[in-house]
Amino acid sequence: DAGVTQSPTHLIKTRGQQVTLRCSPKSGHDTVSWYQQALGQGPQFIFQYYEEEERQRGNFPDRFSGHQFPNYSSELNVNALLLGDSALYLCASSRPGTGIEQYFGPGTRLTVT
Amino acid sequence: KQEVTQIPAALSVPEGENLVLNCSFTDSAIYNLQWFRQDPGKGLTSLLLIQSSQREQTSGRLNASLDKSSGRSTLYIAASQPGDSATYLCAVTETSGSRLTFGEGTQLTVNP
Repeated sequence: DAGVTQSPTHLIKTRGQQVTLRCSPKSGHDTVSWYQQALGQGPQFIFQYYEEEERQRGNFPDRFSGHQFPNYSSELNVNALLLGDSALYLCASSRPGTGIEQYFGPGTRLTVT
Repeated sequence: KQEVTQIPAALSVPEGENLVLNCSFTDSAIYNLQWFRQDPGKGLTSLLLIQSSQREQTSGRLNASLDKSSGRSTLYIAASQPGDSATYLCAVTETSGSRLTFGEGTQLTVNP
């Protein structure tokens, strides 16, 4: 049983560019959440997708957007990249319902130069 | 706004010691609390999940307790090993949904 997968593993972009990160949830999971983890800090919640809709959103600007597909996989898009967007981006999936244990993928390391 | 604090920020111990990591949260209206382990540059591995109605959970050498009314949780690691070296994160789930609010972690080093 495959766990949560993310691609790419690493990414280097230039300030002002746009980036798309991808996530496939664990089998049987339908809810996907995205987190940003800056170096030396705890992950910060970006948003959560369920039934192809954004269900919750953290304190992130509109430059951060997402999408969930009918197969429950998800994309995170970041426009007009800033140096401060450099971070580890983590995807987590969970089964239907609230408060269910979340399983994390290995993350995508984004570096903005 | 929920805030999660972890103490200490870093801890270095000799192999074999029993140790306690602390986590506190400001809003006691949580649904559950999870402890995670993170190796450098890697994703998060879930260690223990405690529902708000539970007092503790155990897995092998790990024991996590929860005192919801006082807003505290502890992670006890028995007979520490060098392979336990990692950052340990606690996170709470709010009753309104499954978003996680994390602390900043405790970086543990177990010396041989």
